[in-house]
Amino acid sequence: AQTVTQSQPEMSVQEAETVTLSCTYDTSESDYYLFWYKQPPSRQMILVIRQEAYKQQNATENRFSVNFQKAAKSFSLKISDSQLGDAAMYFCAYRRWSGTASKLTFGTGTRLQVTL
Amino acid sequence: EAGVAQSPRYKIIEKRQSVAFWCNPISGHATLYWYQQILGQGPKLLIQFQNNGVVDDSQLPKDRFSAERLKGVDSTLKIQPAKLEDSAVYLCASSLLAGELFFGEGSRLTVL
Repeated sequence: AQTVTQSQPEMSVQEAETVTLSCTYDTSESDYYLFWYKQPPSRQMILVIRQEAYKQQNATENRFSVNFQKAAKSFSLKISDSQLGDAAMYFCAYRRWSGTASKLTFGTGTRLQVTL
Repeated sequence: EAGVAQSPRYKIIEKRQSVAFWCNPISGHATLYWYQQILGQGPKLLIQFQNNGVVDDSQLPKDRFSAERLKGVDSTLKIQPAKLEDSAVYLCASSLLAGELFFGEGSRLTVL
């Protein structure tokens, strides 16, 4: 079974600074997707960024980028120029590649605080 | 485009009572998921539907939880009888076949 581990329960960053959230995963599959989801206090999960395992290039979405190390099974999220609105729970998630839909397996989350 | 709708947002019940949660996915999304998120934990899949068929219910406590998706659109998740450990947020999500999951705001259940 696939597992996702987030070893940082809480992180704090000052506004305008950069922070990196860590994630490791375990799988025997070679084709899969990795995701970072953001869950603000309102609880609605929002997709931040996704990475296809077959792509060597790290995904980037504006201030959000990932460092995907397939051999090490590591998938960290870097948030640059942090803003107050970035404060939320961040979940790393794994999804097996499949021609049909497959479930997301989530980590336990990292709570990010953004301070002035 | 309307998002995933869930109701009720909040529910408080006594243990051994029953409760039902409703989800309306994004129009056209064939796949619907119910996740349980206990405080301080990541969401855990309870059941996944493809149209109105069950794809994965391996982690659904079938002695007390049931779910259905009639006509492949709306879905209802029921708990009967509820236990204290069922206190959680129940998240519904939907997707096109292999596409991005879109989540609703969740239904928070408190069992006293």
